[in-house]
Amino acid sequence: SAVISQKPSRDICQRGTSLTIQCQVDSQVTMMFWYRQQPGQSLTLIATANQGSEATYESGFVIDKFPISRPNLTFSTLTVSNMSPEDSSIYLCSVEGSPGPQEETQYFGPGTRLLVL
Amino acid sequence: AQKVTQAQTEISVVEKEDVTLDCVYETRDTTYYLFWYKQPPSGELVFLIRRNSFDEQNEISGRYSWNFQKSTSSFNFTITASQVVDSAVYFCALSGFGNEKLTFGTGTRLTIIP
Repeated sequence: SAVISQKPSRDICQRGTSLTIQCQVDSQVTMMFWYRQQPGQSLTLIATANQGSEATYESGFVIDKFPISRPNLTFSTLTVSNMSPEDSSIYLCSVEGSPGPQEETQYFGPGTRLLVL
Repeated sequence: AQKVTQAQTEISVVEKEDVTLDCVYETRDTTYYLFWYKQPPSGELVFLIRRNSFDEQNEISGRYSWNFQKSTSSFNFTITASQVVDSAVYFCALSGFGNEKLTFGTGTRLTIIP
């Protein structure tokens, strides 16, 4: 499976500020996914990011709050804008496996732990 | 709509005991995938297994085994001879064929007591 890294691994931010989270993959992938995991909760898909097109957002998530960039096939960023304490979560990116047996299986990065004060 | 239910919020067992984590799912898709992921305290999500809906064979990998029963829409996960390193939150998830969106259950926190 692909090796996925995220930066930062954790951060503490003040309300009203914005944070950009980076996701880097060691191989080219078509689709990248961003998830949110609120404290003690399950994972919720925020959006799907294809290279060269606008991200597709799930119900309850909007581009103004969570703008996403996908400049190439190995990199994506998620920005959490105008943060409030309710945005305190783990943010995870994921990619699908390579064509073949690993395809249609999502592999996850290590996550970014965000605390908003 | 898809739904995954993990009714067991928390389980604690003594080391070396066997433990089964339950997963029940709902989907209108005729073909779909089921997954189990492990999330240790460090936070990363580790892929354990994927099962296709048309393959009901049970699978064993070392101390881990999975029981897929389409008739009861269940995909249960058993750890035999549990170890402290098995302590984690385990998530069951579902996606349709060609539909990349993963629907996760709420997770089961497993604690292995030494």
